[in-house]
Amino acid sequence: AQSVTQLDSQVPVFEEAPVELRCNYSSSVSVYLFWYVQYPNQGLQLLLKYLSGSTLVESINGFEAEFNKSQTSFHLRKPSVHISDTAEYFCAVSEGSSASKIIFGSGTRLSIRP
Amino acid sequence: NAGVTQTPKFRILKIGQSMTLQCTQDMNHNYMYWYRQDPGMGLKLIYYSVGAGITDKGEVPNGYNVSRSTTEDFPLRLELAAPSQTSVYFCASSTGTVRGEQYFGPGTRLTVT
Repeated sequence: AQSVTQLDSQVPVFEEAPVELRCNYSSSVSVYLFWYVQYPNQGLQLLLKYLSGSTLVESINGFEAEFNKSQTSFHLRKPSVHISDTAEYFCAVSEGSSASKIIFGSGTRLSIRP
Repeated sequence: NAGVTQTPKFRILKIGQSMTLQCTQDMNHNYMYWYRQDPGMGLKLIYYSVGAGITDKGEVPNGYNVSRSTTEDFPLRLELAAPSQTSVYFCASSTGTVRGEQYFGPGTRLTVT
C-alpha cells in the first residue's frame, strides 16, 4: 500500500533564507507526486506535480521539487523564502493503478520570521 | 467559474444532532471527495464518488453518509454528531485521472459540543 511521510511537522526559517521540506513515499507501482499548499483559513491548492519526464519540477512562485526514485523522495525547496510563503505544505502521491484516490502526508507548517 | 463551493463555513452542533455539509462544483468533474483535516494529522478521506449515483468509502467513513444524485453536488451527512467529528471538512473534485490535480473547496469548520 502506498504511504507518504513528511518528516518535519514544522519548519521555522528566516525571511530570504533557503528551505527544504522533506517528503518520502512508499509504493510498489509507478507513482505521480504532488505538493499542495494551504494558506491560512483556505483550502488546498496545487503547487507543483511530477508526472513523468524531467525529475525536477518547478512552480510559478519559485518552489521546486525533485523526484528521486532510488530514495523514494520528493523534497520541496526554495532558495529564498518570503513572508507570503507562510502556509502548510502537503505532499501527496497517486498510484498508477488507482485513479480514484491520492494519499496525503500529514503536512509541514512553514513559518517565516522577518 | 466558482470552482468548488462549500456551505456552511462554520457550524456548531450539539452531541446527537445531525446536519448536512453541502458541496457543489461547476467544473463538470466526475470525481468528488470528502476529507476531514485534524491538526497534525493531514487529510483523511471520508467518502468519494466517481460519478453520479456511485459512491464508495474512504479511510474514515464511520458516522457519515453521502449521496451523489447529480454531477455537481456531493453532500455529506452527519446523522448523530459526536465530539470526535469536530474537524475541518474539505470537499474536492477532479477529472479522475491519476495525473490530475484535485480542486478543493474553502472548507467547513465543525465543532461538536
